[in-house]
This record gives sequence, C-alpha cells and structure tokens, in this order.
Amino acid sequence: GDSVTQMEGPVTLSEEAFLTINCTYTATGYPSLFWYVQYPGEGLQLLLKATKADDKGSNKGFEATYRKETTSFHLEKGSVQVSDSAVYFCALSKGLTGGGNKLTFGTGTQLKVEL
Amino acid sequence: GAVVSQHPSWVICKSGTSVKIECRSLDFQATTMFWYRQFPKQSLMLMATSNEGSKATYEQGVEKDKFLINHASLTLSTLTVTSAHPEDSSFYICSARDLTSGKEQFFGPGTRLTVL
Repeated sequence: GDSVTQMEGPVTLSEEAFLTINCTYTATGYPSLFWYVQYPGEGLQLLLKATKADDKGSNKGFEATYRKETTSFHLEKGSVQVSDSAVYFCALSKGLTGGGNKLTFGTGTQLKVEL
Repeated sequence: GAVVSQHPSWVICKSGTSVKIECRSLDFQATTMFWYRQFPKQSLMLMATSNEGSKATYEQGVEKDKFLINHASLTLSTLTVTSAHPEDSSFYICSARDLTSGKEQFFGPGTRLTVL
C-alpha cells in the first residue's frame, strides 16, 4: 500500500539556520504530495503542495519539489525563525488534487528553533 | 476562515464507558468529514470518512460497532467510542472538507482520550 516516510525528530536549529526535513513516499500512480504543519494546540494546516512531478510548492519561505525519480518531497527553508517551531507532516493523496481525498501521512517531524 | 473545532480537547473515562467526541466546522459547510487516530510518534491513521446524511465508510481493520460515527448536519460529525478500553486511548483528530472549495481538508486540534 501507499506509505510516507519522513525523518525522525526532534530537529533542533538555531534561528536563521537552514532547514531540511526529508520525506520519501511509496505509491502507485501519480499521487499529490503535501506538507502540513501543526502548531502547539492547533489543528494541522496545509503548508504547501505539489500535484505533479517537478512541481515546486512554496509558502511562507518553505519550499518542496516533487521528485518522481527519487520519490521524494523534501521540505526546505533558507532561514528558520522561532515561530516556525511546530510539527511538520508529509502526506500524499491520490484522486482529488487538493487533499480532499484520503490522505496518507508520515509520522511527523518536530522542529524546535532556538534563539 | 475554515476553522474546525473539536470537543472535548481531552477526556478521561473508565473502562467500559462510552465517550462522544464532536467535530464542528465553524464557518463553512462540510459535506465530508474524516476521522483519524494518532498514536505517539506515529502517523495519523484514517479511521473513517463521514458524509453528511449517509453512513460512514470505515477503513479496513476499524470496528464499525466500536467507533460509531454520525454526520447529522453540514457542520457537525460525532465519533462515539463505545465500551472503551485502555487500548482505545489515543489522540483522535477530525478534518472537514469545505463544500465551496471541494478539495482541501481542514483539521481540528484533536481530542486526547485516556481510558483507565
């Protein structure tokens, strides 16, 4: 079946450091890929998405490129802030492109950004 | 906009009792709501998909009689854990799909259930 694997956390960085959170997937066909973020005490929020190979999703300084050849969707940010501290989930979906269909999640990676 | 709430945020109950968790879309109508379960350091696992006015569709391995889902209106879905046991202790998360956009899921903050 479909699955998503992402790096274990927690990841601890200093403010303004470069961030990479790895995500790889296993799926048949052509899934859509997503990154969700969960801030403390809040629900998951869609951070960015990509619906086909070589697409780059971006939002709030975060980027991820859909790499079909390596089945990856790594999340990057050039300079993190304390306010980026949260749990990040990689996910895939097949069917509707907006995540409205069934989502398969990774285990989540906690990011802690310190001053 | 697109806010989803859950109530309660946490609940502790005795083994054998039933617990109801509510999921509400506060500022939009949700034709479809999803219920997930999350164990510590594990991913969210979809339990069931709930469509307003019809029976929920359960994922393989999820007991329908154990986890009762009711989606009675376009803004409310409930999950009832019947005859709860300690192994049902978990973090339950709902999401709702916006009727107007028809695509993106919006997530609630989750409910922590502890069964003693």
